[in-house]
Amino acid sequence: AQSVTQPDIHITVSEGASLELRCNYSYGATPYLFWYVQSPGQGLQLLLKYFSGDTLVQGIKGFEAEFKRSQSSFNLRKPSVHWSDAAEYFCAVGGDDKIIFGKGTRLHILP
Amino acid sequence: NAGVTQTPKFQVLKTGQSMTLQCAQDMNHEYMSWYRQDPGMGLRLIHYSVGAGITDQGEVPNGYNVSRSTTEDFPLRLLSAAPSQTSVYFCASGISSSNEQFFGPGTRLTVL
Repeated sequence: AQSVTQPDIHITVSEGASLELRCNYSYGATPYLFWYVQSPGQGLQLLLKYFSGDTLVQGIKGFEAEFKRSQSSFNLRKPSVHWSDAAEYFCAVGGDDKIIFGKGTRLHILP
Repeated sequence: NAGVTQTPKFQVLKTGQSMTLQCAQDMNHEYMSWYRQDPGMGLRLIHYSVGAGITDQGEVPNGYNVSRSTTEDFPLRLLSAAPSQTSVYFCASGISSSNEQFFGPGTRLTVL
């Protein structure tokens, strides 16, 4: 069975600063990996996904993530955050017909 | 397209009552799933379905039943509501589990 760990419950960064949100997964085979964002009071929106091929994946809103098999990680990055990026971010791993989510990281932006 | 719709948006139940949360999608997706979201717990998978007539348990299935008689609909039944089932429930659908999942707006359920 797969599992996901997001080690950081809250992260605070200044507007314009770079961002990295950590995600570690556990799955025996090659996983499908996703990052979703949930803005306050909203549903979830897909930022990006990894299935195979290039380990650096580009997503919407200027986000990217890098799959590192040796570290079982799929960290999300953005070079310069905007106040509108304040939200909760979820990493998810798919396999065996299930999609399992992490507990989420809430991102706070300082002006 | 309406996407994924959920009804009701809000519901208050008393302990021991039963109810059904409705979920429908108009995208002809084979894969559908139910999650509950609780503070600090992220989204936890309750049940999922890879197609009409096929359902399976997720991480936290106890106290919930599902059925999938059509491609479009995937209702979630609470058999005997308990305060521990107070949560926000999200339904999602996708072409398969390896594709993007589209989420409904959620149902906020309170069990007294």
